[in-house]
Amino acid sequence: HGLTQPPSVSVAPGQTATISCGGDSVATESVHWYQQRPGQAPVLVVFDDRDRPSGIPDRFYGASSGNTATLTITRVEAGDEADYYCQLWDRNIDHVVFGGGTKLTVL
Amino acid sequence: VQLLESGPRLVKPSESLSLTCTVSTDAMSPYYWAWIRQPPGKGLESIGYVYYTGNTYYNPSFARRVTMSVDRSQNQFSLILNSVTAADTATYYCARVGDCSGASCTWTFYMDVWGKGTTVTVSS
Repeated sequence: HGLTQPPSVSVAPGQTATISCGGDSVATESVHWYQQRPGQAPVLVVFDDRDRPSGIPDRFYGASSGNTATLTITRVEAGDEADYYCQLWDRNIDHVVFGGGTKLTVL
Repeated sequence: VQLLESGPRLVKPSESLSLTCTVSTDAMSPYYWAWIRQPPGKGLESIGYVYYTGNTYYNPSFARRVTMSVDRSQNQFSLILNSVTAADTATYYCARVGDCSGASCTWTFYMDVWGKGTTVTVSS
C-alpha cells in the first residue's frame, strides 16, 4: 500500500525537475505534495493532484495519471533544494500514507 | 493560523510521551487536526487525526498505544503515545488538515498548516 518515490533527483539551475510518486491508490485518490527544506517543517506545495496553495509560485505544478503522480518544478532555483514528499489517503488502511521522499539537489 | 507544539523533550523508555499543540486563533472548527512524526534522517509518518468535535482517526500502526484529544476552550489538541521505545525518538509535528471541497464536502486529508515541530528523545 506504499507510495514509491525516487530517492534523489538532480537538476541544474533554470532547468525542470520532475519527481514521481507511484502506487495503486494514486489512480483513485487525490495526491498532495510537500517541500521540506533542511531543519524546517514541511510546506504544502500542491494539493488535490494539481492545486496550489496561495503563495506557492506557478513554477510548481502537479499532475496525476494512472498509478503515477508527478510534481514538476520549472526554472529550478537554488532555494528549491529540499526533500519532497507525496501523500494521499489510502482506503486500504483507512489512513494517510506518505511516500519515502525525494531529495532534490540543485547542481 | 499558527501552530506551536509543546511538551517534554526527553521521555524514558516504557513511559508516555505527551504533547500539546496550541492553535493561534479561535478557529478549531470545522477542521481535522493531525500529528505527524519524522524520525531522525527518515521520512514523514502520520500518527493520527482528531476532528474538532473530538472524533479520532488513528494510524493502525499506532492505534493500540495512542490517544488524541481536543480542548476547544484552550484552542489546543493533544497527543499521548504510551509505552515508548527508542524507535519513537523523532520530531513531532502538529498540523491542520485542509478544508473539504465540493458539494459533498470531500476530505482529502492534505495538511495546509504545520507547526515548527518539537524533537522528542526517548532515552533513560
